[in-house]
Amino acid sequence: TQLLEQSPQFLSIQEGENLTVYCNSSSVFSSLQWYRQEPGEGPVLLVTVVTGGEVKKLKRLTFQFGDARKDSSLHITAAQPGDTGLYLCAGTRSGYNKLIFGAGTRLAVHP
Amino acid sequence: ETGVTQTPRHLVMGMTNKKSLKCEQHLGHNAMYWYKQSAKKPLELMFVYNFKEQTENNSVPSRFSPECPNSSHLFLHLHTLQPEDSALYLCASSQGTKLGETQYFGPGTRLLVL
Repeated sequence: TQLLEQSPQFLSIQEGENLTVYCNSSSVFSSLQWYRQEPGEGPVLLVTVVTGGEVKKLKRLTFQFGDARKDSSLHITAAQPGDTGLYLCAGTRSGYNKLIFGAGTRLAVHP
Repeated sequence: ETGVTQTPRHLVMGMTNKKSLKCEQHLGHNAMYWYKQSAKKPLELMFVYNFKEQTENNSVPSRFSPECPNSSHLFLHLHTLQPEDSALYLCASSQGTKLGETQYFGPGTRLLVL
């Protein structure tokens, strides 16, 4: 059983559509991070959320941390082919100085 | 470019070979990490080094042997690997190891064990 469950595993959409991907856990996290990983590259940090209920926006991407700090979501508006990649969430728990990763959501945006 | 480079980018080796992966960071960071990324599985932390000292070994088999000669370089020595060790091996660095410090990842070495 994974500590951080990401859904969906795969998502294939057309350019211009909106989408939401989820990162859920039964555990409380001190912070959650979202990364995007493109083929042949390592993950690149997009955002870190630390406060329950926090919402952060990065252009067309909106990140939300759940009130109880057990879950997070990433919403993309008007997806572009350049958004294609593997989206990973990773969390840190109090007292544990390491990142715990989810398995990721693989997004394909078609022109 | 994240400031973390890894070589080689691709490696094919037999189970009896010995090879090494290299990671170098140009960010002036003090902490470096090895992760394993297998298909459909979450990134797994393998080792953490802080100021050249190993601070974490996440129950990694002894056929993986890390080496950190200085804060800018990290190696992963491989010997008598198994086919299930085939994966993408990612190196990362961060300023320190405080909770929530941003980690910067290299592009990874894609390893295939035959």
